[in-house]
Amino acid sequence: AQTVTQSQPEMSVQEAETVTLSCTYDTSENNYYLFWYKQPPSRQMILVIRQEAYKQQNATENRFSVNFQKAAKSFSLKISDSQLGDTAMYFCAFMSRGGGADGLTFGKGTHLIIQP
Amino acid sequence: NAGVTQTPKFQVLKTGQSMTLQCAQDMNHEYMSWYRQDPGMGLRLIHYSVGAGITDQGEVPNGYNVSRSTTEDFPLRLLSAAPSQTSVYFCASSYTGGGVDTQYFGPGTRLTVL
Repeated sequence: AQTVTQSQPEMSVQEAETVTLSCTYDTSENNYYLFWYKQPPSRQMILVIRQEAYKQQNATENRFSVNFQKAAKSFSLKISDSQLGDTAMYFCAFMSRGGGADGLTFGKGTHLIIQP
Repeated sequence: NAGVTQTPKFQVLKTGQSMTLQCAQDMNHEYMSWYRQDPGMGLRLIHYSVGAGITDQGEVPNGYNVSRSTTEDFPLRLLSAAPSQTSVYFCASSYTGGGVDTQYFGPGTRLTVL
């Protein structure tokens, strides 16, 4: 079974700063996906970014980028030029690419607060 | 496209009552799933389906039933509600062209069992 660990329960930064959220995972599989989901107070789960493990290039989506270190089993999320609307819970998640029938395995989340 | 929709948004039940949480998607996704989210936890998989007529258990299936008669709908039934089932429930769906891909979530149902 896979496990996902987010070691920062809460982080707080000033608006416009850059912040990095940490995520480590444990798996014996070689082919998988990693995701970051955002959950604002509305509780909607919003996909932020997706990384395929076989791709060496780190995924980026506008202000969001990841640092994927496959050997170290690390998958951190960097948010540049942070905005008040980035305040939310952020969940790191793992999914096997071999069918994915077991669904997503989530970490416990990091509560990110952007201060004005 | 409405994406993934869930009804109701909120529900209060008494212990022992039964109810069905509805989930529908209009993206023609084969894969659908149900998760629950408890305070301080990430989401945990309850049941999933890889297509109409096919369902299977996830990590926390006890006390829940599912069926999948159409591609669009995947209801979750609580047979006899218990306070331990107080949680927020999310439905998700995914395209499965080359295996299950990115899952898209509904808005969630907050369930309280008294």
